[in-house]
Amino acid sequence: AQTVTQSQPEMSVQEAETVTLSCTYDTSESDYYLFWYKQPPSRQMILVIRQEAYKQQNATENRFSVNFQKAAKSFSLKISDSQLGDAAMYFCAYRSAASNTGKLIFGQGTTLQVKP
Amino acid sequence: NAGVTQTPKFRVLKTGQSMTLLCAQDMNHEYMYWYRQDPGMGLRLIHYSVGEGTTAKGEVPDGYNVSRLKKQNFLLGLESAAPSQTSVYFCASSRGQIFRNQPQHFGDGTRLSIL
Repeated sequence: AQTVTQSQPEMSVQEAETVTLSCTYDTSESDYYLFWYKQPPSRQMILVIRQEAYKQQNATENRFSVNFQKAAKSFSLKISDSQLGDAAMYFCAYRSAASNTGKLIFGQGTTLQVKP
Repeated sequence: NAGVTQTPKFRVLKTGQSMTLLCAQDMNHEYMYWYRQDPGMGLRLIHYSVGEGTTAKGEVPDGYNVSRLKKQNFLLGLESAAPSQTSVYFCASSRGQIFRNQPQHFGDGTRLSIL
C-alpha cells in the first residue's frame, strides 16, 4: 500500500523569503500523480500544484514550484516570495494512475506560518 | 458556480444519536469521496463511490454508511454517533478514470462534535 509522509508538522518563514515543504512517499508503481493542497483557516482545500510522475520537468505555478525526485520518492514544495496569505496547512497527496478509484492518499500536513 | 456543497457546516450530537451529512456536486463528476480530518493525521478516506448506485469502503469505514442514489449526491450516515467520530468531514468529487490527472474538488467541510 502507498503511504505519504510529511515530516515537518510546522514551518515558519519570513515574508518575502523562500520556504520548502517536504513530502516523501512510498509506492511500487511507476505511474502516478502527486498534488499539493493548501488549507487556510477557512478550511477550504485548494489545489496548489500537481505533478505527473512520467514528466521529468518539475511543475511550477507562479510562486509555487516542486522538486520532484522520482528515484528518491520525494516531492517537495517551494514557495518563493512568501506572502501573508500563504499561511495555511499544506497537504501532499498521492494518486495511483492504475487504480480506477481516483483515491487520494494524504500526508499528515505541514502548518506554515508567515511572519511579517 | 457552486462546485461541491456540504450540508450542514456545523453540528453537535449526543452519543448514540444518528445523522446524515449531505454532499452535492454540480460538475457532473463520476467519483465522489468522504474523508475525515483529524489533527496530525491528514485526511483519511471513509467511503467512496465511482458511480451512481455504487459505493466502497475506504481506510476508516467503521461506524459509517453511505449511499449514492443520484450521481450528484453522496450521503454519509452515522447510525449511532460515538465521541471518536468527532472530526471535520470533507466531501470531494472528481472526474472519471480517463481524466485521472485531474484533481479532486472539495467541499468546505462539516465540523461534527459528538458529546
